[in-house]
Amino acid sequence: AQKITQTQPGMFVQEKEAVTLDCTYDTSDQSYGLFWYKQPSSGEMIFLIYQGSYDEQNATEGRYSLNFQKARKSANLVISASQLGDSAMYFCAMREGRQFSGGYNKLIFGAGTRLAVHP
Amino acid sequence: KAGVTQTPRYLIKTRGQQVTLSCSPISGHRSVSWYQQTPGQGLQFLFEYFSETQRNKGNFPGRFSGRQFSNSRSEMNVSTLELGDSALYLCASSFQGRTNEKLFFGSGTQLSVL
Repeated sequence: AQKITQTQPGMFVQEKEAVTLDCTYDTSDQSYGLFWYKQPSSGEMIFLIYQGSYDEQNATEGRYSLNFQKARKSANLVISASQLGDSAMYFCAMREGRQFSGGYNKLIFGAGTRLAVHP
Repeated sequence: KAGVTQTPRYLIKTRGQQVTLSCSPISGHRSVSWYQQTPGQGLQFLFEYFSETQRNKGNFPGRFSGRQFSNSRSEMNVSTLELGDSALYLCASSFQGRTNEKLFFGSGTQLSVL
């Protein structure tokens, strides 16, 4: 069964430093998508970055990059130059790739990592 | 381009009542999915709609239902509310729900059942 594991319940980082949030996944599919979302205390789920299983390059979106190691089934999020506004919950999620057997937008989420950025 | 819009933002209901939540996807997006978020269970998939048809359903009782209109707007309904239905309900949209598409969420509806 598909599963997402985020082993860090909480992380601290100093402002302007880089931080890596860990995510490992388990799937038997060859085609799948991996997501990272940020959820501030307001509750909205903000899309950060997406990596497809067949993408050869690691995805980047501004200060966010995804360290995709397919053989190790890991998809770590790297935030460069942390800002105070980065303090939030961060969720890793996976979408099944079997679009013809009902996968579609059924995402499996990890438990999340709470990031605190200190000045 | 407007994002995913969910209304209302907050709801307070009592046990036994029913509730309807609304979601307007990003313009051009035809796939709408719903998720429930609770402190105990985390984020769980409820169902997904595409072209007014439910394509996938999570493991929730029949009290949870939904529908999608021709303009891709979606509603979800919870009947006979229970205390355990208190949660943040999130709606998400993408173009077609294919593997390589990004998925965008709304701000959610916070439901409290008293």
